Amino acid sequence: AQTVTQSQPEMSVQEAETVTLSCTYDTSESDYYLFWYKQPPSRQMILVIRQEAYKQQNATENRFSVNFQKAAKSFSLKISDSQLGDAAMYFCAYRSVNSGYSTLTFGKGTMLLVSP
Amino acid sequence: DAMVIQNPRYQVTQFGKPVTLSCSQTLNHNVMYWYQQKSSQAPKLLFHYYDKDFNNEADTPDNFQSRRPNTSFCFLDIRSPGLGDAAMYLCATSRDMAGEETQYFGPGTRLLVL
Repeated sequence: AQTVTQSQPEMSVQEAETVTLSCTYDTSESDYYLFWYKQPPSRQMILVIRQEAYKQQNATENRFSVNFQKAAKSFSLKISDSQLGDAAMYFCAYRSVNSGYSTLTFGKGTMLLVSP
Repeated sequence: DAMVIQNPRYQVTQFGKPVTLSCSQTLNHNVMYWYQQKSSQAPKLLFHYYDKDFNNEADTPDNFQSRRPNTSFCFLDIRSPGLGDAAMYLCATSRDMAGEETQYFGPGTRLLVL
């Protein structure tokens, strides 16, 4: 079974600064997807960014980018030019592609605090 | 605009009194999921429907049941809520279950058991 570990329960950043959230995972599969989801307080969880394991290029979505290190099984999220609206719980998640019928495995989350 | 709708947002029930949470979607997605999320923990998948096919996670208690009468609606029934069932319940949908598919989440229903 796959596991996802987020070792930082909470992180703080000031507006306009850059912060990196860590995620490691364990799998024996060679192809899979990794996701970062954002869950703002009292609002629904939304997808931030997605990475397919066989793609070497790191995914980027505006101010959000990942550092995907397949050999190290590491998938960190970098948020540049942090904004107050980035304050949320961030979940790293893994999904297999092998069976075409798989579900998300989430990490425990990292709470990101953004101060003015 | 809302794509995945959950009602109610807050639900209070009594110990042992059956409760039903509802979820609807406007995305016409094939798959609907129910997750349980306790405070400061990761969402835990309870079960999902792929169209009419029901798939229960191995460790989901028998106390939890689900119904999907049509594509748009899915219900979570808790037959005899215990104090340990107090949690946020998240509904999500996806077009199918391929690896790259995005799951779209509702805002959740927070269940309080007295």
